[in-house]
Amino acid sequence: SQQGEEDPQALSIQEGENATMNCSYKTSINNLQWYRQNSGRGLVHLILIRSNEREKHSGRLRVTLDTSKKSSSLLITASRAADTASYFCATTGGYQKVTFGIGTKLQVIP
Amino acid sequence: DAGVTQSPTHLIKTRGQQVTLRCSPKSGHDTVSWYQQALGQGPQFIFQYYEEEERQRGNFPDRFSGHQFPNYSSELNVNALLLGDSALYLCASSFTGTGHQTQYFGPGTRLLVL
Repeated sequence: SQQGEEDPQALSIQEGENATMNCSYKTSINNLQWYRQNSGRGLVHLILIRSNEREKHSGRLRVTLDTSKKSSSLLITASRAADTASYFCATTGGYQKVTFGIGTKLQVIP
Repeated sequence: DAGVTQSPTHLIKTRGQQVTLRCSPKSGHDTVSWYQQALGQGPQFIFQYYEEEERQRGNFPDRFSGHQFPNYSSELNVNALLLGDSALYLCASSFTGTGHQTQYFGPGTRLLVL
């Protein structure tokens, strides 16, 4: 079963614009991670935010976490065509079990 | 430093057959997790191996089994293949000691069952 639900499921923006993706989950978590996947290949880890953190930055990425609402958002600033990919949030609960959402498919138009 | 490697990259089998997929973890990692990703879906957790034992298991039937070797590499075995087993199978490795549970994924094995 999928723990998280990403919103929107698909997003199309122009290069240079910002892209925001949201993730909601159901159970308590230890941390939440965001991954990128290009063309159905392996997943690339982007950023991890712990349950006691509210915001984290990494380059053009900004992640927020609201444990009271069981939600997270991923913001990609100044998007590039190379950012075109599917983005997944993944929650980690007890004992390293990682549960993925269904993903947001992002298309950045040059 | 080699990342996570998986073999083979693609595989075609017929219903009822058995398949073995292989994974070598990133150097320094001791934990291997396996995921099944159907087309258009997120990865679904199959199971995780640590110290050569299955530590966690997702909602998959006993037809799915695995093994971890002393060098931390791992195999995923699927018996009595069904059409619905067609998917991308992903292996991820991590180091249990960090507590961060950041998993590094291999490129996957795409399995097609005819």
